[in-house]
Amino acid sequence: DAGVIQSPRHEVTEMGQEVTLRCKPISGHNSLFWYRQTMMRGLELLIYFNNNVPIDDSGMPEDRFSAKMPNASFSTLKIQPSEPRDSAVYFCASSPPLGARTEAFFGQGTRLTVV
Amino acid sequence: AQTVTQSQPEMSVQEAETVTLSCTYDTSESNYYLFWYKQPPSRQMILVIRQEAYKQQNATENRFSVNFQKAAKSFSLKISDSQLGDTAMYFCAFMKPPGETSGSRLTFGEGTQLTVNP
Repeated sequence: DAGVIQSPRHEVTEMGQEVTLRCKPISGHNSLFWYRQTMMRGLELLIYFNNNVPIDDSGMPEDRFSAKMPNASFSTLKIQPSEPRDSAVYFCASSPPLGARTEAFFGQGTRLTVV
Repeated sequence: AQTVTQSQPEMSVQEAETVTLSCTYDTSESNYYLFWYKQPPSRQMILVIRQEAYKQQNATENRFSVNFQKAAKSFSLKISDSQLGDTAMYFCAFMKPPGETSGSRLTFGEGTQLTVNP
């Protein structure tokens, strides 16, 4: 099993540009989570999907952020336009269906720097 | 809403010694899951150990064990025979049981930076 795969691992962009982060969950997992990690706020949930449907997006900071999950094997997190305060590490995680071992598996994260 | 508190921002221990990291949480749920994740400098989030609240027996994984006190809402991590590779940020996390149709989010503590000294 390849684990949760995120791309890119590092992204440096200029303020105002669009940024797209990508995630491939573990095959067979039906829940997908996007977390953001900053020094100030720690690890916080942005949004999560179950069976490709967004369940809770209350953590999405503002309208500049959007997330999609067009199928069970792919999700994107988009920031448009990006701002310096969006600089953080963004993690994607997936979880197996109810009845399986309850835990979340994390990707290696994308370090985003907005200059 | 659930909250998780780690009151020790930093800790250090000598190699081969034992160290305990503290975690408390607040919830009105009766059944839930608790986790300790390790984040080394590579930033990968690695699951160290998990505990189901309905199990009274404390979880153990090799050199890692927990002291789960449900009434006190305390979930500490003990690392025995500390190794240099244990140097990392450690996060305590809470998860409600997943629903029939939805997964369940993790709520993280602030983290404890552990340094193992040679």
